[in-house]
Amino acid sequence: DIQMTQSPSSLSASVGDRVTITCRASQRISTYLNWFQQKPGKAPKLLIYAASSLQSGVPSRFSGSGSGTDFTLTISSLQPEDFATYYCQQSYSTHTFGQGTKLEIK
Amino acid sequence: EVQLVESGGGLVQPGGSLRLSCAASGFTVSSNYMSWVRQAPGKGLDWVSAIYSGGTTYYADSVKGRFTISRDNSKNTLYLQMNSLRAEDTAVYYCARENFEYSSSGPRWFDPWGQGTLVTVSS
Repeated sequence: DIQMTQSPSSLSASVGDRVTITCRASQRISTYLNWFQQKPGKAPKLLIYAASSLQSGVPSRFSGSGSGTDFTLTISSLQPEDFATYYCQQSYSTHTFGQGTKLEIK
Repeated sequence: EVQLVESGGGLVQPGGSLRLSCAASGFTVSSNYMSWVRQAPGKGLDWVSAIYSGGTTYYADSVKGRFTISRDNSKNTLYLQMNSLRAEDTAVYYCARENFEYSSSGPRWFDPWGQGTLVTVSS
């Protein structure tokens, strides 16, 4: 099974900050990597698919990069509505999610 | 509008059974890849099961032999039959459509998701 490891597990930041979350796969997965945002009591929301493609309707301050085993999600300028938990997910071999990164207000 | 609505969750005793439903609108379930994903209280996301357009099914090791994914084309609905339930199956269960851009062998992603239905396994 492919394991996905996110870092950090939690992060405190301020509005306007640039934030980067990383995700590492236990084996090479090409660009079979997606990013989701989840707020309490809500279903996950797709942000980035295929490592770097921005989902329609998602603000351009979100971006994704990487290939192989190492991936990043970057939020260029944090907005109040961005404080949430973020998950990476691989689709190379069935599906596996990272453990999540909780982004909190500093 | 593309939408998924789950139902069927509730409280069940260990060893019991429950069937979850996921009604789709705006697209055809049988023409798509569909999955169930669950989230235990306060925990992360775990993929549970998938059914592909051709009917092939897949399961996480943790539910293999206990859960069965299926669909009713006439009702445009996805199901998850859960038997021999355990306390560790307690979670919010989401259904989601798997999308891909050019080929099903390429990258796939979940969108949309339903709102989720809570399953609690407890005596």
